[in-house]
This record gives sequence, C-alpha cells and structure tokens, in this order.
Amino acid sequence: DQQVKQNSPSLSVQEGRISILNCDYTNSMFDYFLWYKKYPAEGPTFLISISSIKDKNEDGRFTVFLNKSAKHLSLHIVPSQPGDSAVYFCAASVGNNRLAFGKGNQVVVIP
Amino acid sequence: GAGVSQSPSNKVTEKGKDVELRCDPISGHTALYWYRQSLGQGLEFLIYFQGNSAPDKSGLPSDRFSAERTGGSVSTLTIQRTQQEDSAVYLCASSFGKLREKLFFGSGTQLSVL
Repeated sequence: DQQVKQNSPSLSVQEGRISILNCDYTNSMFDYFLWYKKYPAEGPTFLISISSIKDKNEDGRFTVFLNKSAKHLSLHIVPSQPGDSAVYFCAASVGNNRLAFGKGNQVVVIP
Repeated sequence: GAGVSQSPSNKVTEKGKDVELRCDPISGHTALYWYRQSLGQGLEFLIYFQGNSAPDKSGLPSDRFSAERTGGSVSTLTIQRTQQEDSAVYLCASSFGKLREKLFFGSGTQLSVL
C-alpha cells in the first residue's frame, strides 16, 4: 500500500513563477519528511526536510510546509528556474532511517 | 570516489538467469540501503545494513532476492532466477547512519529482464 502519495504526476511552470508540489501521507506515525530531487540517469539528491514538530522549513528558494492534521505537505519553489526541471520525490520516515517514497512529480520549468 | 558508485549501470538479462548488482558506498558511511524503482512507481525499500547489526531485510520482495555487505563496505544485491517483473532501476544509498540523516544515492543499475 502506498503510504506516501503524490498526485498530479507532472507540472509545467514558467521560469520565475512558483512551483507547488503536493504530497499526502496515510501513516500518522511519520515524524520526519523529506524531498528529494532526481535528474535523468542520476540518483536522487536530498533537497529539504522537515520534522513533525515544525510546520514550515525554508532553505533559499525552497520551502516545505507541513499540515499534520491533514497529513499533507507541500514544496514551494520560488522563483522557479530551468535547472529545477527534474522529478521530485516526497519521502517520510517513522523514527528511523527507512524512508517511504512517493511516486514522484515531474517538474518542467519553461524558460 | 566521492560518491556512491554502482555497477553495472545497465544490465540486460534473460528470464531465469541470476544477476549481481554492486554498490560501493561513500567511504566512512556505515549505513547502506537498497531501493528499487519500477516504471511509474516510487522508490521501494529493499534492505538496510547498519554497521555490524543484522540487516533489515523486510523489504525484499521474495526469497529470490538477497544482499550481502562485505567488510562493512561494498554490497552486492543478488537476484536469482530473474523474472520480468524484476525489471527496474536498483538504487543504492549510504549515510553515516545517524537518525534522520540524508541519504546519498548512487546513479542506479537499470535492470531489464527479457
């Protein structure tokens, strides 16, 4: 069963605009959430994370929001750049290092 | 090397054959993970090694799958009697093993079972 769900598999956005990626989870025990970014023919690379004790974490152009009551998190990229074109994976864990991943969202930033 | 290295990058095999996939983690990393990504799916956890502890094999999909980690470094994932549904990208990751630490992934092995 898919404990981490990413709908809307692809997103196209104009350069300079905001990209918003959404992620829903079913396991209320998850206490740590991450986003990974993946380019073709490369492994995923860590982007940003958030602990369940927070509702927002920001790192430069990337901000992750967590809504525990809705079991929902989102990744905002602003402003979007062509180099942000990639697949973004949402992941979550329960007090350990074993991650449950979503299926990923393809982002295309149009110059 | 500086990153996680996986070999081969691509492997085409016939149904029923055995395959071995190799992972060289980042030097000094005590934790090593295997994941796989089937077409249109997310990353699926397979197995986790942490230091000298017994590995967490709970993600292995069948007894045709096994993995070893020799000397706390290099790991080999073996798939016996491959089936077409084993076709996927097999990804290895490593870390220092601290809780909530980010993982460093290799580029993966694309396995195609004909």
